[in-house]
Amino acid sequence: AQTVTQSQPEMSVQEAETVTLSCTYDTSESNYYLFWYKQPPSRQMILVIRQEAYKQQNATENRFSVNFQKAAKSFSLKISDSQLGDTAMYFCAHHAGGTSYGKLTFGQGTILTVHP
Amino acid sequence: DSGVTQTPKHLITATGQRVTLRCSPRSGDLSVYWYQQSLDQGLQFLIQYYNGEERAKGNILERFSAQQFPDLHSELNLSSLELGDSALYFCASSVDTDRTDTQYFGPGTRLTVL
Repeated sequence: AQTVTQSQPEMSVQEAETVTLSCTYDTSESNYYLFWYKQPPSRQMILVIRQEAYKQQNATENRFSVNFQKAAKSFSLKISDSQLGDTAMYFCAHHAGGTSYGKLTFGQGTILTVHP
Repeated sequence: DSGVTQTPKHLITATGQRVTLRCSPRSGDLSVYWYQQSLDQGLQFLIQYYNGEERAKGNILERFSAQQFPDLHSELNLSSLELGDSALYFCASSVDTDRTDTQYFGPGTRLTVL
């Protein structure tokens, strides 16, 4: 069974600074996808970034980038130039294939607070 | 706005009752997924439908059931409700069932069981 672990329950950062959220996962699949979703106070789940496991290159989306270490099963999210609107709960998720089809397995989440 | 709609936004009911949550996927998406978010269990996958057929089951209780209709909208039925069923229920959709697909989430239905 897949598991996803986020070891940081809460993080805080000053506006304009950089912060990194950690995520580790366990899977027996060789090809899979990893995601970061953001859940602001509105509770909407918003896709931040995704990474294909077979790609060596780390994904980037504007101020968001990942550090994907496949051998270590680590998938951290770096937020550069943090903005007040980045305040949210962040979830790391693993997307398995095979008989799990599209099931997403989520970590426990990290609450990020950006201070002015 | 993800394009996935869920109704109602909020639902307050009593123990023992039955409720139905509704989801309309993004235009063109064939797969619908249901997730439950609660304080003690976190975000958990419940069930997936693809083009009207059940494809995968997660930690879904026997008191819960779902279906996907020919127009691709889906309903999640929760019966004999207990206090512990209070949670935020999300629907997500994707084009297909492949692991390459990104799931887009609806705004959720907040269920409160009193």
